[in-house]
Amino acid sequence: EAGVTQSPTHLIKTRGQQATLRCSPISGHTSVYWYQQALGLGLQFLLWYDEGEERNRGNFPPRFSGRQFPNYSSELNVNALELEDSALYLCASRTGTTGANVLTFGAGSRLTVL
Amino acid sequence: QKEVEQDPGPLSVPEGAIVSLNCTYSNSAFQYFMWYRQYSRKGPELLMYTYSSGNKEDGRFTAQVDKSSKYISLFIRDSQPSDSATYLCAMTTQGGSEKLVFGKGMKLTVNP
Repeated sequence: EAGVTQSPTHLIKTRGQQATLRCSPISGHTSVYWYQQALGLGLQFLLWYDEGEERNRGNFPPRFSGRQFPNYSSELNVNALELEDSALYLCASRTGTTGANVLTFGAGSRLTVL
Repeated sequence: QKEVEQDPGPLSVPEGAIVSLNCTYSNSAFQYFMWYRQYSRKGPELLMYTYSSGNKEDGRFTAQVDKSSKYISLFIRDSQPSDSATYLCAMTTQGGSEKLVFGKGMKLTVNP
């Protein structure tokens, strides 16, 4: 069974540009979560999508946005990039919305903002 | 006060040592407690999962939850160099659909 896949693996942008990160969940998983892992800060919750809808978002500015497609894959967009957006962006998926929230993570997309 | 506190270390131990990793939390509504392991340049992978208070054992790993003290622990017996990784505690409220709240992670190195 294929795991959670993310692309690109690495991305280098400059301040003010936009970045788009992509995630394919495990087959059969309908919920997708995005987390930011910045150095020294641990994993910070960004966004949660389920059945194509945004269900919850973390304490991040509106320039962080995303969507979930009918095939449950997801995209994270970061507009007007700032230096502090440099981080590993992790996508995770789970089956449905009941029971314990056990997430399976992808390997992440490392974004560097110069 | 942060919801979940975890000493980021780093922690270095000799092979064969017993390792104790801990997290404290402030939200008494947390019911599900997890430990994830993250190797360098990889995403976190689920190691242990516990519901409410008590102990859970899986091979060399034991997870403990003390809800009265808002304290969780992960013990690694007979530690191996392959255990060298960052260990993150995570927890969530009952209901299951809420976000996981993570600790900052503890970087562990087991020296041969």
